[in-house]
This record gives sequence, C-alpha cells and structure tokens, in this order.
Amino acid sequence: QSVVTQPPSVSGAPGQRVTISCTGSSSNIGAGHDVQWYQQLPGTAPKVLIYSNTNRPSGIPDRFSGSTSGTSASLAITGLQAEDEADYYCQSYDNTLSGWVFGGGTKLTVL
Amino acid sequence: QLQLQESGPGLVKPSETLSLTCTVSGGSISGASYYWAWIRQPPGKGLEWIGSIYYSGTTYYNPSLKSRVTISADKSNNQFSLNLTSVTAADTAFYYCARHLLNWKWGQGTLVTVSS
Repeated sequence: QSVVTQPPSVSGAPGQRVTISCTGSSSNIGAGHDVQWYQQLPGTAPKVLIYSNTNRPSGIPDRFSGSTSGTSASLAITGLQAEDEADYYCQSYDNTLSGWVFGGGTKLTVL
Repeated sequence: QLQLQESGPGLVKPSETLSLTCTVSGGSISGASYYWAWIRQPPGKGLEWIGSIYYSGTTYYNPSLKSRVTISADKSNNQFSLNLTSVTAADTAFYYCARHLLNWKWGQGTLVTVSS
C-alpha cells in the first residue's frame, strides 16, 4: 500500500475533462515536495507529463496540467482523446521513508 | 540528448544476485547535481522506486529493499549499476534506470525474470 494514493480508475468521453487525484500527507506532498505525473501506455516505459507540480516537458500538450493543494495533487486532462487511454502515476518524495514514492496508478478509460 | 539504456541478464535463478547496468549517453553521471535511479515494475503492477545514487556517490535506498540492494557508479564508463541479492519470484519485474533532479528522464526498461 503506497503512502500516496490514487483512484484505481477514472473514465470520460472524448472531448471531456477528467482529473486524477493523488492524496498524500504532511510527510510528502504536504511537506512541499515536488509531484511528478507519468503516463504509461501498454508495453512502454512511463513518460513524464508533469514535473515539479505544474511543469510540462517540451512536447507535452497543454491539455495536461498539474496542481497541488495541501496534501494532495491533481492531474487534469482536457479535450480527452482516445490516445489518452493509459495508466497514470503520481510520484513524490517522502520524508518518513527518506525516498521517492509512487502512487498505485490510475487507469484512464476513454468511453 | 540524454539517453539511458539498461542491460543485463533477462533471467536470474532464485537466491542469486540480479545485476543490471545503465549506460548513459549525452550526459555525464559525474557532472552537475543529478541523481541516478533504479525503478521497477512487476508485470501488470505499479511502480516502485528501488534507490538512487547522487552524483557525489551518496546512495539512497527504499527501506523495503535496503538490505538487499547496492547501487554503484562507474564514472570512467559513464554507467551506474544495480545489484539485488537473494532474489525470489517477487523480484520479477521491468527494471528502469533514470536521471532525476527536478525532471525525471527514464530508460526504456528491461524485463528480468526470476525462475529456475
């Protein structure tokens, strides 16, 4: 069981907006540690969508955005597309574990 | 452009040591203040950080694996390595190497199966 938790699944119709939550604690997200978000398509390595809470690497569309509030973080995807169907993971640093932790992952289904 | 490539045996016997190497190109593992990490993912499951080595040589390990893990750097060959001892079937996973500081840059990963 991870110290940062995500919903196992979310879904949305093409064109809609979906959000994926990442709930932590005062030991990780609440302590101000950066949050990263990854997209993993089947059979491929995770790809960074968001780093340092809100930053997009070059090449990542602005349909993807990240935010944090208190002990939680969120990934928002607007204008949902079929190719967005994938697993999404959040990641942060945890003071108690003295290391980096991943959420359990969220499967996004595009209806 | 930074690239990371994992290499090593794809099959390891139970109780033996899993050894992987990450070869870095397009950047020096001894330059700047980067961390160099190993992450794994059992087939069909989530991601687990194994450990990281700072450019200075300081290591950081996942407490759940700390007793079995060693990460080391070979600056002359611009590589860093993972050793995981006393493996069991539960260590079967895709193993990824990565560079991180603010952003994370990952390799493509390699599958290691633990089986006799």
